[in-house]
Amino acid sequence: EAQVTQNPRYLITVTGKKLTVTCSQNMNHEYMSWYRQDPGLGLRQIYYSMNVEVTDKGDVPEGYKVSRKEKRNFPLILESPSPNQTSLYFCASSFTTGRTGELFFGEGSRLTVL
Amino acid sequence: RKEVEQDPGPFNVPEGATVAFNCTYSNSASQSFFWYRQDCRKEPKLLMSVYSSGNEDGRFTAQLNRASQYISLLIRDSKLSDSATYLCVVNPVIYNQGGKLIFGQGTELSVKP
Repeated sequence: EAQVTQNPRYLITVTGKKLTVTCSQNMNHEYMSWYRQDPGLGLRQIYYSMNVEVTDKGDVPEGYKVSRKEKRNFPLILESPSPNQTSLYFCASSFTTGRTGELFFGEGSRLTVL
Repeated sequence: RKEVEQDPGPFNVPEGATVAFNCTYSNSASQSFFWYRQDCRKEPKLLMSVYSSGNEDGRFTAQLNRASQYISLLIRDSKLSDSATYLCVVNPVIYNQGGKLIFGQGTELSVKP
């Protein structure tokens, strides 16, 4: 089954404790991206990757890191989480070559930073 | 002005009604547009892609008006199951190649019996 898998789905952590949210897709997509969704602000792009070893900042990259060492994986790293990073996070992927906006989303990761 | 704007609603309509949402975009060079559906606290799912003047899929029709810089989504014969938030997404880069997609805040639809 074609899917984007995120882990963990739910996490409560404390300020400053490094964490990684994993994202994996099995559709051989070149493009992967991370979003956060907050009430009243909609979906905002954090980082995206057009292919292996190619990453770019989205609209809200501060406080986050990503890497794309393999095509299928695109982890989101919070080196020192803060309460303002409490949010619902989505990973998404698609083909490029004229189809970048046709995204497949993971089920989301709800993160709470205390 | 926001790059992509939607009326947040909520739109409350009876079953069987026809409802239309608009989405305006600020970058006149944008060429690729998408409508996504998002159920409460779930992941967005692609509903329609719009690469030319419009697209139709069953009860759903999307139309693009480049002169006025908006896209619309028309839902005919609304079902209870259409209740969701509808997100407008724009890829401002030619040939849908760019990676920096822009999401509207979404329009909430509630279909009542």
